[in-house]
Amino acid sequence: DVKVTQSSRYLVKRTGEKVFLECVQDMDHENMFWYRQDPGLGLRLIYFSYDVKMKEKGDIPEGYSVSREKKERFSLILESASTNQTSMYLCASRDRGIPLHFGNGTRLTVT
Amino acid sequence: ELKVEQNPLFLSMQEGKNYTIYCNYSTTSDRLYWYRQDPGKSLESLFVLLSNGAVKQEGRLMASLDTKARLSTLHITAAVHDLSATYFCAVPTSGTYKYIFGTGTRLKVLA
Repeated sequence: DVKVTQSSRYLVKRTGEKVFLECVQDMDHENMFWYRQDPGLGLRLIYFSYDVKMKEKGDIPEGYSVSREKKERFSLILESASTNQTSMYLCASRDRGIPLHFGNGTRLTVT
Repeated sequence: ELKVEQNPLFLSMQEGKNYTIYCNYSTTSDRLYWYRQDPGKSLESLFVLLSNGAVKQEGRLMASLDTKARLSTLHITAAVHDLSATYFCAVPTSGTYKYIFGTGTRLKVLA
């Protein structure tokens, strides 16, 4: 069974801090994704990676960056956290022909 | 731009009743995915529909896909309380790795 693990379930950070959200998958999937989910706005794609060291912007990349140095790990970085980045962050991975598998999510609060 | 619309957005129904959730999408796609999300939790894959006319069933849920009409349905038979959750459909965009998610249908089954 595919396992996508996000390092933190809940995080509280201060405005201006640099924040790292980590995601690890154990199924050797090529593609990995970061979404944020907000009430009334649904799931919005921040960034995705189709291979190691490869990344593409999603629909809302501003204020975020990503890193994928190893196939199993995809990190989301908030360069300078702001209160409007308070959200649920969902990591997902997939391979050709199979659906997205999601991690448990990280609920980030920026105060 | 691919748009995915679900209706209804909210559904409150009595146990034992039947109902259908609809997912319409705006451009051609030969596959569609359904996910379930429990409150405060992540998304869990329910169904993978890979071709026109595909029908999948699990328990009291049945999903179908009509690619010509650009429509998928999720039918609930004899609802039970345990089915209370938010249901999302998702459509992959052609030529990219991106998935567009529907707005979600929040289902509440009343005992």
